[in-house]
Amino acid sequence: QQQVKQSPQSLIVQKGGISIINCAYENTAFDYFPWYQQFPGKGPALLIAIRPDVSEKKEGRFTISFNKSAKQFSLHIMDSQPGDSATYFCAASTDKLIFGTGTRLQVFP
Amino acid sequence: DGGITQSPKYLFRKEGQNVTLSCEQNLNHDAMYWYRQDPGQGLRLIYYSQIVNDFQKGDIAEGYSVSREKKESFPLTVTSAQKNPTAFYLCASSFQGGRSGQPQHFGDGTRLSIL
Repeated sequence: QQQVKQSPQSLIVQKGGISIINCAYENTAFDYFPWYQQFPGKGPALLIAIRPDVSEKKEGRFTISFNKSAKQFSLHIMDSQPGDSATYFCAASTDKLIFGTGTRLQVFP
Repeated sequence: DGGITQSPKYLFRKEGQNVTLSCEQNLNHDAMYWYRQDPGQGLRLIYYSQIVNDFQKGDIAEGYSVSREKKESFPLTVTSAQKNPTAFYLCASSFQGGRSGQPQHFGDGTRLSIL
């Protein structure tokens, strides 16, 4: 029940396209859902986060969509750029963060 | 610049040897965390500390030990009891621990390998 399931494992998108990464959870006590971006050889960096009382949050080209009834949330990257190529992790928390297994995104020119 | 410094960047361990990974933060954060990252498995929590002189086991604490004698420092020792230590180790901190919604800030990791 503490798991966060993330898909796909890898994603290839053309420059200018939309990248979509999905996550699902079981524990209804989770109340904070962040997304982290990680470049090779670096630590993860917080990208955007959402609370379950809103259905969508947008910051620039990055949008989180949240479906509380389905216990799912997703990251949408609009106008994907080669510089977005990285590994993305979703997470969920009550007092501790539980991470998904990551999605490796590659954006080709 | 405030941040988290992990050292060394690369570390090699011989059989039967204990090694210590350093983590220092100057963000004035109360809480600190150690994660292990393996390919395809995301980040798994090893130990965390919400305040000085206190720490708790995470999901995979066996074969590891920590100390929290100073607010700024949270070193991790990988003992000889950890039979599969090869991984990327990440240290993080947050303003407070034990509360949801606290963003965690990460260091750039230490990659540990067995010789």
